[in-house]
Amino acid sequence: KNQVEQSPQSLIILEGKNCTLQCNYTVSPFSNLRWYKQDTGRGPVSLTIMTFSENTKSNGRYTATLDADTKQSSLHITASQLSDSASYICVVSDRGSTLGRLYFGRGTQLTVWP
Amino acid sequence: EADIYQTPRYLVIGTGKKITLECSQTMGHDKMYWYQQDPGMELHLIHYSYGVNSTEKGDLSSESTVSRIRTEHFPLTLESARPSHTSQYLCASSTTGELSYEQYFGPGTRLTVT
Repeated sequence: KNQVEQSPQSLIILEGKNCTLQCNYTVSPFSNLRWYKQDTGRGPVSLTIMTFSENTKSNGRYTATLDADTKQSSLHITASQLSDSASYICVVSDRGSTLGRLYFGRGTQLTVWP
Repeated sequence: EADIYQTPRYLVIGTGKKITLECSQTMGHDKMYWYQQDPGMELHLIHYSYGVNSTEKGDLSSESTVSRIRTEHFPLTLESARPSHTSQYLCASSTTGELSYEQYFGPGTRLTVT
């Protein structure tokens, strides 16, 4: 069964600190993995997308890693800001259909305190 | 920010009413999607469309219906709303070809059925 599991479920950190969010998946055949940021009451916004051959990608203070062998990904946030408070969703796409089926994790709810 | 719009943003309605959630995109994308998301849970695909006059049901069974008469417009209709329909509804779109894995999300409609 294709699944995406994220940990931790929630995380509280102080402003300026770093944090790492984890994602494990069982989706096969794998096409790509992306991390989305979803603010409360808003739609998800893409942070990074990685294909099979990529093992790291950065977008400002966000750095995602991918280990396709172990089917694990992480999202590292550096020097956190209050505006980083949001849900971070790991999404994996399979290669099995023209639709590009997406499998969503439940997200990690990050809260950054001043 | 993606050019995909949803109206209304919030809707509180009584049981038995007919409602239509609007979704429009100005990016000329062929593929459009409707997702349902409950608090703290993953997004579930309820409808999708490959293009004009194409509509398909997604993974999660839904009593809603959709239509795709124009490329830019993908409305979702509930003929008779029930409290079990209370949820957040997210519309998304994507292009075809090389970048077809990138989905752009609208801000969502928070529906409450009393």
